Amino acid sequence: DGGITQSPKYLFRKEGQNVTLSCEQNLNHDAMYWYRQDPGQGLRLIYYSQIVNDFQKGDIAEGYSVSREKKESFPLTVTSAQKNPTAFYLCASISRGAGANVLTFGAGSRLTVL
Amino acid sequence: AQSVTQPDIHITVSEGASLELRCNYSYGATPYLFWYVQSPGQGLQLLLKYFSGDTLVQGIKGFEAEFKRSQSSFNLRKPSVHWSDAAEYFCAVAASNTGKLIFGQGTTLQVKP
Repeated sequence: DGGITQSPKYLFRKEGQNVTLSCEQNLNHDAMYWYRQDPGQGLRLIYYSQIVNDFQKGDIAEGYSVSREKKESFPLTVTSAQKNPTAFYLCASISRGAGANVLTFGAGSRLTVL
Repeated sequence: AQSVTQPDIHITVSEGASLELRCNYSYGATPYLFWYVQSPGQGLQLLLKYFSGDTLVQGIKGFEAEFKRSQSSFNLRKPSVHWSDAAEYFCAVAASNTGKLIFGQGTTLQVKP
């Protein structure tokens, strides 16, 4: 079945460490997105990529970095510069075909900073 | 700037009762509107979407939503709630073709037996 796989589902990090969250999709979607979810704040866009080797900052990009070397993969690195990284992170993708413009989400990764 | 407001942070209804979750949006052009549902610790699942045409849209799990341009609203409804509907519900708006969604803060639905 096609879908989006996020790993790991749970991750613990010490302060000052960088950590990378994986996002892989086999939907042949062009664009991919990273959202951060905090209780009572909905989802906020971190980064997005509409094509391989290109990406744009979202609303809360500070302290995060991404790469898009392959169409299927869009990893997110949470750097030590992110002041409050404990959150639930959601990856999503979208097709550009007819009847599209609907985001498909992965199951999420929960990051806890100890 | 685009924005979405879900006025109700938490709603409790009895099983079998009707449900309406409110959503108001701010967007200059014709919006693309969505409702997503999230179970605890899971990703988001699309319930329904509005792009154009009939302003009453049907979705999965017996949900429907009505787009009212004059009120800038896209409220979600269900005639009879089931215990399995307990979850968090998000309304979202998108620019026409970017895929970038702006989400509301979410409404947590609790269902009483």
